[in-house]
Amino acid sequence: ILNVEQSPQSLHVQEGDSTNFTCSFPSSNFYALHWYRWETAKSPEALFVMTLNGDEKKKGRISATLNTKEGYSYLYIKGSQPEDSATYLCAFTNYGGATNKLIFGTGTLLAVQP
Amino acid sequence: ETGVTQTPRHLVMGMTNKKSLKCEQHLGHNAMYWYKQSAKKPLELMFVYNFKEQTENNSVPSRFSPECPNSSHLFLHLHTLQPEDSALYLCASSRERDGGTDTQYFGPGTRLTVL
Repeated sequence: ILNVEQSPQSLHVQEGDSTNFTCSFPSSNFYALHWYRWETAKSPEALFVMTLNGDEKKKGRISATLNTKEGYSYLYIKGSQPEDSATYLCAFTNYGGATNKLIFGTGTLLAVQP
Repeated sequence: ETGVTQTPRHLVMGMTNKKSLKCEQHLGHNAMYWYKQSAKKPLELMFVYNFKEQTENNSVPSRFSPECPNSSHLFLHLHTLQPEDSALYLCASSRERDGGTDTQYFGPGTRLTVL
C-alpha cells in the first residue's frame, strides 16, 4: 500500500510568521509530487508539480523543495498572512501498472491569526 | 474559479433513492476524475475517464455508476447508497491522463449525506 504522510496535521501561526510543512512519500518508482492549496468551501488549487530531485519551485511567498532519494518535500510560507489559511495537500504519482495516479496525504491545516 | 463546476453542492438522500452528481469542465481537457473524501481521510480516487473511456475503477462498489457522455461532462449516478457513503465527492479534470505530471483542476465538490 502506497502511503503519503503529511506533518503536522494542523498548525496555528501569527500573521508575519514563516512556516513550513513536510510531505513524505515512498521514494521507489517516484514520478511526480504535487502540492495543492484548499480553502474551506472552495476547490483545491494547484500550487506546484515537481519531478526532479533537488527541484525548488516558488510562487510569491510560497516555495517548495523536493528530495526524491529520501522521499520528502517541504512547503515553505514566508511571512504568513490570514489569507494563507487553508489545508495544504500533497500528492505523488509513481511508475508502474495501474498505480499511475495521484495518491494524496491527509493535508496540513494552516490557520494564520491576524 | 478553476473552470470545473459541480452540481448540486449539497445533497441529502435516503438509502433507497437514486440521484446523480454532475460535473462540467470548461477547460478543453480530455481526462476527468471522480474523487471521494471521507472525514479525516485523504482524497481517494474513484474513477478516471480519458477521452470518454473509463481507464480506472479503483474497486468502487457498483452502487456508484459513472458516466462520461463527452469530454466536458461527467456524471456519478448513485443508487441504494449506505450511510457510510456520506462524504465530499470531488470532480477534477486534466489535459490528459499521462504520466502523472498533469495538473488536475478540481471542482468545489458535492457534500453528500445518506440517511
